[in-house]
Amino acid sequence: GENVEQHPSTLSVQEGDSAVIKCTYSDSASNYFPWYKQELGKRPQLIIDIRSNVGEKKDQRIAVTLNKTAKHFSLHITETQPEDSAVYFCAASKVKGGKLIFGQGTELSVKP
Amino acid sequence: NAGVTQTPKFRILKIGQSMTLQCTQDMNHNYMYWYRQDPGMGLKLIYYSVGAGITDKGEVPNGYNVSRSTTEDFPLRLELAAPSQTSVYFCASSPSGGELFFGEGSRLTVL
Repeated sequence: GENVEQHPSTLSVQEGDSAVIKCTYSDSASNYFPWYKQELGKRPQLIIDIRSNVGEKKDQRIAVTLNKTAKHFSLHITETQPEDSAVYFCAASKVKGGKLIFGQGTELSVKP
Repeated sequence: NAGVTQTPKFRILKIGQSMTLQCTQDMNHNYMYWYRQDPGMGLKLIYYSVGAGITDKGEVPNGYNVSRSTTEDFPLRLELAAPSQTSVYFCASSPSGGELFFGEGSRLTVL
């Protein structure tokens, strides 16, 4: 079955710096890769996703890149702000396949 | 729309007891999921369903059962609770396997 590895487990940056979180997946049939943000004590919420027919997707300060050959994808946050502090999860599945598997999470801390 | 509603929000069980976590959604989503999240850890898929009458195992199904008799409801049954099942349980739904909409979570402690 699918296995998703996420690194690093913790990341601390200064406000205004960039942050990069990386994930690898094992099932070459996976073609849907979302990222979720979970603030302390809250439910996870989708922040961006990418499908395998696209190599990169941007939404304001957030971007995701996908390398299907290497089976890895990354989340890039530019100009980080204290409110970006949270746990971020990557995930992988087949579109319409249903079985969405999450990585272990990255705790991002943005210091003012 | 209420979205995804989970009950109860908190529960303490004794070892060996059984209980059902309720999950209902009012968005007419076909896909529903149960995840568990241990402290400081990621989300582990317990069971999922792609439509009424269809369920499938996730990564950690042992000790749990589900049913999906209607589109709206996806209850999770814990039989013979064990301390290892102490966790926060999240139910989620999705229209077709894309974005997941999570409930607020149910915090379960087994003593």
